[in-house]
Amino acid sequence: QKEVEQNSGPLSVPEGAIASLNCTYSDRVSQSFFWYRQYSGKSPELIMSIYSNGDKEDGRFTAQLNKASQYVSLLIRDSQPSDSATYLCAVTHGSGNQGGKLIFGQGTELSVKP
Amino acid sequence: KAGVTQTPRYLIKTRGQQVTLSCSPISGHRSVSWYQQTPGQGLQFLFEYFSETQRNKGNFPGRFSGRQFSNSRSEMNVSTLELGDSALYLCASSLEVWCHTFGSGTRLTVV
Repeated sequence: QKEVEQNSGPLSVPEGAIASLNCTYSDRVSQSFFWYRQYSGKSPELIMSIYSNGDKEDGRFTAQLNKASQYVSLLIRDSQPSDSATYLCAVTHGSGNQGGKLIFGQGTELSVKP
Repeated sequence: KAGVTQTPRYLIKTRGQQVTLSCSPISGHRSVSWYQQTPGQGLQFLFEYFSETQRNKGNFPGRFSGRQFSNSRSEMNVSTLELGDSALYLCASSLEVWCHTFGSGTRLTVV
């Protein structure tokens, strides 16, 4: 089992729809969770971080965390063609101050059709 | 505000050689992390430095090493290059742990 799993996609949604991206992780003691967006040929950029159970909203983006189910998701409301990219889920393994590392999923490719 | 600067952008090396990649973090960021990105394995964590100390390390062989200087600039070295080391190497600087700003990367090709 991979440490962080995502559906590779591509996930295709029409413009204006809600895109739902999912991620599961295997390490029960993971503390911090992140979503990065990577456009083709570009570097990843951080779009959301979440540390406690529940929802966290930032503009059109909502991250949801359920530690009991070891599940984190990203919702993108009113999807735009400019949201077309690969979305990477990242989960910490161990402590950030000593012996920790950030594990990335393989990414979900999102395509928003006009 | 300047971003994360990585040099060189592209590099072609021969098997068995060694290579040094450089990263200048965002001013004020003391944490620098390095990642390897390949189509097959995705983004994999190499190591993280904070205040000149390697604080965290990924599961890569000892051929991969790094260091951080007092001005937070970091270098990564790969010795005895193998074809499988061909990848995009990304550096990321952070003010908060793991909240990365990535550089544009160095594309290493080993022939």
